[in-house]
Parts: sequence; C-alpha cells; structure tokens
Amino acid sequence: NAGVTQTPKFQVLKTGQSMTLQCAQDMNHNSMYWYRQDPGMGLRLIYYSASEGTTDKGEVPNGYNVSRLNKREFSLRLESAAPSQTSVYFCASSGLAGPLGETQYFGPGTRLLVL
Amino acid sequence: SQQGEEDPQALSIQEGENATMNCSYKTSINNLQWYRQNSGRGLVHLILIRSNEREKHSGRLRVTLDTSKKSSSLLITASRAADTASYFCATSNQGGKLIFGQGTELSVKP
Repeated sequence: NAGVTQTPKFQVLKTGQSMTLQCAQDMNHNSMYWYRQDPGMGLRLIYYSASEGTTDKGEVPNGYNVSRLNKREFSLRLESAAPSQTSVYFCASSGLAGPLGETQYFGPGTRLLVL
Repeated sequence: SQQGEEDPQALSIQEGENATMNCSYKTSINNLQWYRQNSGRGLVHLILIRSNEREKHSGRLRVTLDTSKKSSSLLITASRAADTASYFCATSNQGGKLIFGQGTELSVKP
C-alpha cells in the first residue's frame, strides 16, 4: 500500500495563477483533510471531507476550494494564488475502525512557492 | 487559532538522556494525539490517549494526560539521534478533526 500520496512535490506559481493539488489514499478511509504548515507553526486545517460526497471548511479556507472526487481522491484548488499561500500543504486521511479511528495518516507534502 | 500550545519550542539533549515535551489545550477533548515530523516529511502518528485515560506507554514513549489542568506530556526515554524531529500534540473533540499545537523541535546529539 502506498498510503497517502500527493502530487506535485514542488510547485512555483506566479501571483494570480491557478493550480490543483492532488491527493489520493489507498486505505479505504472515509475522511480526508487538507492542511497547510508555515514555518515555526503547527498544521492548520484548510478543508476536510468527513465522507465521500461531503466537504466542510476548516480554520483557514479562504482562497481555496476542494473536491472529493471519490472515496480515494481529495483535491485542493487555488483559483488565484497569492504570496500568502506560500506554504507546505499536507493531505491526510483517517477512518480506521476501532479505537484508533481518529488517527490521521499524512502524505509527504507539497511545497508551494507563490512569487 | 491553535488549540494546543507546546513547551518548550526547542529542546537539545545528549543521546541517552530523557526528553520531556508538554502540551496545553483550551477546550474539552475526546482524545489527544502525539505526532512526529522528520525534516521535510509528513507527520507520523505516535500515540493516542483518550480523555478517560491518565497514562499510556508505547515502547520508549510515555504520555500522560491531566484533563483538570488541560495538559499532556510526552516523555521519550533513552533518546537516540534518530529521535531528532519535531513533535506535535493534536486534540480531537468531535468528528475526527484535529487541532495541532505549534510543535517542539527536538535535537538529540550523538
């Protein structure tokens, strides 16, 4: 099993450009999440999908949109990138049955630089 | 806003010593989790402690939880250079969402 995979690994954008970050998991998890991590800070939740067909805003959703394409895939879109969106983006999933159901499994991250 | 605050922000110790990191949070929780992040990598789950538990062990890891003080600690015993990483606490109150602290950067010198 690959776990959680993210593409691309690195991306440089100019202000105003758009892009979509892709995330896929092969663990049959119900829930998926997008976070951003800025230097010296923990992770902040952008959007999450508790189950296929549902999405909800997290702590910092402005400037982003998401799509839960199917149970495996959860994409994050920046419609008009801004320098403040320079960050490392992590996708995660959860949904094991049993006492560790709330444990999250993280992808390797996408490093985004907006000039 | 961040739920958890971690202390210290950075910790440097010698191999073989114990490392203790603390986490405080603000609201009631269902569980508290600790994650590790190696430089340039994603987070990896270490241990989960539920609100009705006071202490939990996993290998060289010991986690305590004091819900009256809204605080938790992570103890790594007999540290190794490979333990060098950032450690984050995360709280969960409902629906599986986690709120992360800012992390403690641990450096273990050989």
